[in-house]
Amino acid sequence: DTGVSQDPRHKITKRGQNVTFRCDPISEHNRLYWYRQTLGQGPEFLTYFQNEAQLEKSRLLSDRFSAERPKGSFSTLEIQRTEQGDSAMYLCASSLARASGSSHEQYFGPGTRLTVT
Amino acid sequence: AQKVTQAQTEISVVEKEDVTLDCVYETRDTTYYLFWYKQPPSGELVFLIRRNSFDEQNEISGRYSWNFQKSTSSFNFTITASQVVDSAVYFCALKSIPALGNTPLVFGKGTRLSVIA
Repeated sequence: DTGVSQDPRHKITKRGQNVTFRCDPISEHNRLYWYRQTLGQGPEFLTYFQNEAQLEKSRLLSDRFSAERPKGSFSTLEIQRTEQGDSAMYLCASSLARASGSSHEQYFGPGTRLTVT
Repeated sequence: AQKVTQAQTEISVVEKEDVTLDCVYETRDTTYYLFWYKQPPSGELVFLIRRNSFDEQNEISGRYSWNFQKSTSSFNFTITASQVVDSAVYFCALKSIPALGNTPLVFGKGTRLSVIA
């Protein structure tokens, strides 16, 4: 399977614990995005990378959240001191941006469902 | 600001009926892309179609068709002869391309479609 993969698929943690999620994008894609989706809502943008550079962060991304893409391939999203309000589906997506222009469609992974108890 | 409105929260149809999912968008930018994604119960968002703001031609792909009308800022999605496998949440999304800077992909809240056998 050469699609976007995410690990783990499910995570249950106690309030106050730290969690880390991993995303592996489609191999030739240079852009990687993180979204959060709560029940009954559409995905909300958190942050994105072009190669290893984090180019944009949403105001939703509080200082307890940090994302990295150290080698421009996989990415990690860490949440420190989790709160019950962090319970959501965390989605990763990737796309290909070319110098000649981008088609802008993003391909999504299956998501990591986080439950904070 | 960019905004996507999907006024229909839930729709139920009987198998083989046609169904139209509405999407209305707002943007000040003249260049933008519109998307539809399908989210089946498994949770993974599946890309269906991309449309750019300069191409108002309607598109048909099998049982799916899309009607893009800039005059009403709408990008509606019709499924003909619906099937049980079409049951999912469908999201409309907008990505504006401003002259300067970057904007994220903005999703509507989704329409849950249930097709009953």
